[in-house]
Parts: sequence; structure tokens; C-alpha cells
Amino acid sequence: GDSVTQMEGPVTLSEEAFLTINCTYTATGYPSLFWYVQYPGEGLQLLLKATKADDKGSNKGFEATYRKETTSFHLEKGSVQVSDSAVYFCALTTDSWGKLQFGAGTQVVVTP
Amino acid sequence: GAGVSQTPSNKVTEKGKYVELRCDPISGHTALYWYRQSLGQGPEFLIYFQGTGAADDSGLPNDRFFAVRPEGSVSTLKIQRTERGDSAVYLCASSLGGGSSNEQFFGPGTRLTVL
Repeated sequence: GDSVTQMEGPVTLSEEAFLTINCTYTATGYPSLFWYVQYPGEGLQLLLKATKADDKGSNKGFEATYRKETTSFHLEKGSVQVSDSAVYFCALTTDSWGKLQFGAGTQVVVTP
Repeated sequence: GAGVSQTPSNKVTEKGKYVELRCDPISGHTALYWYRQSLGQGPEFLIYFQGTGAADDSGLPNDRFFAVRPEGSVSTLKIQRTERGDSAVYLCASSLGGGSSNEQFFGPGTRLTVL
């Protein structure tokens, strides 16, 4: 079946540091890929998405590129802020109805 | 505008009891999803509604779990004979029309604790 594997957290880094969260997937067919973010005390929010190979999703300074050859969708941000502290979830869907398969989540802690 | 709302925000019950969890989707959203998130894990799909009908209930773990959406808006997830393993955060999401091209908007969740 479909699955998503993402790096374990917590990831702790200083403000203005570079952030990478690795995400790889296994899927039948051609999935759409997503990154969701859960800020403390808030619900899940879509951060960015990509629907086909080589597409780059971007939002709020975050980027991720759909790499079919390596079945990866790594999340990057060049200079993190304290406000980026959250749990980040990589997800995919191959389903015509859009049901999502999530990774386990990666907690990111940014210190001043 | 109003987002997805879920009630109650917290529910504590005893093993063997029956519980109902409610989801109010964004007005006009025809697609509604239920997910379950256990501690330290990502959400897991339970069931998907398109309008009033359950188009995909393949994620329901067993026949103690049931969900309805009688008027194509509010949905209720029902759990009979609760077990301690049912303890989790139950998330509801809605989207304009379903499919991968329509963003799913998530509610804050209901934290269920079965003692």
C-alpha cells in the first residue's frame, strides 16, 4: 500500500538557520504530494503541494520539489523564524476522492 | 468566514460506553473526511462523504465505528462499546468538491479519552 516516511524529530535549530525535512514515499500510480503544518494549539493547515513530477510547491518561504526518480518531496526553508516552530506532516494522495496518507510528522523547534 | 468546527473539543468516557463526535464543515463544501490521529502519529483516514453518502469507508477500523451525514452538511462519527485503544484525536476536514485538487480544511479535532 501507499506510505510516507519522514525524518523523525524533534529538529531543533536557531533562528535564521536552514531547515530541511526529508520525506520519501511509496505509492502506486502518480500521487499528489502535500506538506501540512500544525502550529501549537491550532488545526492542520495546508502549507504547499505539488501534483506532478518536477513541480515545485512554495508558500511562506518554504519550498518542496516533487522528485519522481527519488520518490521524495523534501521540505526546505532558507531562514527559519521562531514562528515556524510547529509539527510538519508530509502527505500524499493517489485517490480520486483525495483521501490523504500522512507521515508521522516532524516537530521543529526554532530557538531565538 | 467560519472554518470547520468540531464538538466537543474534549470527551472523556469509560470503556464500553457509546460516544458521538460532531463535525460542522465549511458551508458549501460537499466533501467531508474523518481522520484519526494517535499520539505521535500522523492522521489516518477513516471515512469520506460526498454529499450525504459515504463514498469510501475503508478506513473504519471495525463495525463499532459508524458515521452519518444525513443532510449533506453536519456529520456525526459514532463509536459503540468504546475501548481504550480508541483514545485519539478525531479530525474532520471538508473540501469544496473532493479530489486532490481541492484543499482540505481541517477542524481543531475532538480529543477522545477512553478510561
